[in-house]
Amino acid sequence: DSGVTQTPKHLITATGQRVTLRCSPRSGDLSVYWYQQSLDQGLQFLIQYYNGEERAKGNILERFSAQQFPDLHSELNLSSLELGDSALYFCASSVEPGAGVNTEAFFGQGTRLTVV
Amino acid sequence: GQNIDQPTEMTATEGAIVQINCTYQTSGFNGLFWYQQHAGEAPTFLSYNVLDGLEEKGRFSSFLSRSKGYSYLLLKELQMKDSASYLCAVTAEMNRDDKIIFGKGTRLHILP
Repeated sequence: DSGVTQTPKHLITATGQRVTLRCSPRSGDLSVYWYQQSLDQGLQFLIQYYNGEERAKGNILERFSAQQFPDLHSELNLSSLELGDSALYFCASSVEPGAGVNTEAFFGQGTRLTVV
Repeated sequence: GQNIDQPTEMTATEGAIVQINCTYQTSGFNGLFWYQQHAGEAPTFLSYNVLDGLEEKGRFSSFLSRSKGYSYLLLKELQMKDSASYLCAVTAEMNRDDKIIFGKGTRLHILP
């Protein structure tokens, strides 16, 4: 158990809908990352937060948004869902962002999103 | 931009040694991670290299050459449970943009 909690574990929804994925980082971790992993694809970096502020942005679609709250949990909002958004969405956390000690990321078990 | 290359698949025999290579091109390189991911599960951290050289951790070792943009993960005394994908990831810092970027992973098959 990495200490990172993601809910829900599974989500099935229809095209055009909106969903919210939730992540609670490990106790003491200030940095949260979101990744998308489609079938047979690598982990695609979406966005990173550090202590409540957006730190880095990857290939995140405009239909997607995220935030990190004062208690450090994070939510990823996916709207106007399309079939191609079906994927595993991972959240990871680390003590510090960037490189150096305490920067290794610990991953949650993921949310499997299926858009039908 | 950042680019990470690693072989798509490799096969090795139980008890043997396997080396998984990773090459990368990135500016502002800060460090390189290796993660293990079993199918449908979360990636788990294996190693982190920031300086040139070899880091050993039990059956797993990771090597980094910053000048060559090259790393490898060495797995010894392979066990069936080592069948998994191995992800190389680099972290680079530019203008406080210090995200961790993953390669597509190397799927390792262990044969009895």
